[in-house]
Amino acid sequence: NAGVMQNPRHLVRRRGQEARLRCSPMKGHSHVYWYRQLPEEGLKFMVYLQKENIIDESGMPKERFSAEFPKEGPSILRIQQVVRGDSAAYFCASSQGATSTDTQYFGPGTRLTVL
Amino acid sequence: GENVEQHPSTLSVQEGDSAVIKCTYSDSASNYFPWYKQELGKRPQLIIDIRSNVGEKKDQRIAVTLNKTAKHFSLHITETQPEDSAVYFCAAGREGYSSASKIIFGSGTRLSIRP
Repeated sequence: NAGVMQNPRHLVRRRGQEARLRCSPMKGHSHVYWYRQLPEEGLKFMVYLQKENIIDESGMPKERFSAEFPKEGPSILRIQQVVRGDSAAYFCASSQGATSTDTQYFGPGTRLTVL
Repeated sequence: GENVEQHPSTLSVQEGDSAVIKCTYSDSASNYFPWYKQELGKRPQLIIDIRSNVGEKKDQRIAVTLNKTAKHFSLHITETQPEDSAVYFCAAGREGYSSASKIIFGSGTRLSIRP
């Protein structure tokens, strides 16, 4: 029973490059959430997606950040033209549904370092 | 917007003593309150949750209480052990098939257990 998978686990980028973070939800889960965690801080909601749909992106920065969850394949969080302030751990979580009986399970995170 | 306040930010207790972490939330429509434990460098893991139709829930040494009138909920850990040392996050959310299905996290409590 594989849990939520994320890759890469560690990603180093230079300022101005693009970062692509991938998240494969647990088997049977169709809801994906992305969170950002700055060092020594809590988890900040970024975006909530279902297959082929962005349901809530109220936590996403207006520029440079985008997310998708295609019909086939993992969910992808894309950060264009990265800056030092983007350095953080990015966690995704998945749930089977969005009812009161559904729990979000977290992946191991991708630690992005921008040089 | 929605907000979750968590206190204290750091907590040190003697092994065997109890630890209490408190949270308040602002969205009166919140009906789901999970608690996550995050060990250093690892993913957040759900340890217990409570829904608004109950006031208290226990699981071995861990208990959560909920006061919906005061919009306040707490985590209680009894007979603390060294492996309880971690950062604990409370969260509040509304669940349903809508864009309100995100979870708002508190800023975390770093719990240290002194031997």
